[in-house]
Amino acid sequence: QSALTQPRSVSGSPGQSVAISCTGTNGDVGGHDYVSWYQQHPGKVPKLIIYDVTRRPSGVPDRFSGSQSGNTASLTISGLQTDDEADYYCCSNAGSSRSVFGTGTKVTVL
Amino acid sequence: QVQLVQSGAEVKKPGSSVKVSCKISGGNYAIGWIRQAPGQGLEWMGRIIPFAGTPSYAEKYQGRLTITADMSSSTVYMQLNSLRSDDSAVYYCARVGSTGSYLFFAYWGQGTLVSVSS
Repeated sequence: QSALTQPRSVSGSPGQSVAISCTGTNGDVGGHDYVSWYQQHPGKVPKLIIYDVTRRPSGVPDRFSGSQSGNTASLTISGLQTDDEADYYCCSNAGSSRSVFGTGTKVTVL
Repeated sequence: QVQLVQSGAEVKKPGSSVKVSCKISGGNYAIGWIRQAPGQGLEWMGRIIPFAGTPSYAEKYQGRLTITADMSSSTVYMQLNSLRSDDSAVYYCARVGSTGSYLFFAYWGQGTLVSVSS
């Protein structure tokens, strides 16, 4: 199972929006509506920010939103804040109770 | 309140085995193991549904990884054999969420650093 493909980095100024793509195959992203997204600050434990493509856990700001089209899922961060600077990982179910993570994207707030 | 508490850091020799524990409080749901090598991304290794006892593994770990659950102590274990230097990583246990698809990791342990060196 190959890792899902994410851009290595994206950047934006405070208040702007950035989008992170997550590309897989029909066997993972495209075959299910089970993409989740995680935020990880340096040296910290990953934190769930989006699940089942579009759903936000309680406590996660609505500045974070998810979508999916075919084999590509996307995370959009609107109204970028300095605390959003972190690594972001997508994750998809890959059938047979297996999961696969994305390669990870570093978000830089300029 | 859901809590996952992992065992402490380990230093191992190449060729040996490591067994990391994850004590769970708050619900009986699937537990996954995810690792992160230094400066690298997250990698899903495998998972188990404790009450069902049937694990599933990523292909690359088949034959080298064993995930077990002890319901009496609410603890899940991850054992990795034939350790190599590139197995040096932080190992996380994570519990799936209790809504929606149950296929996402809502709660994470604090991580266990495993260092493999001769």
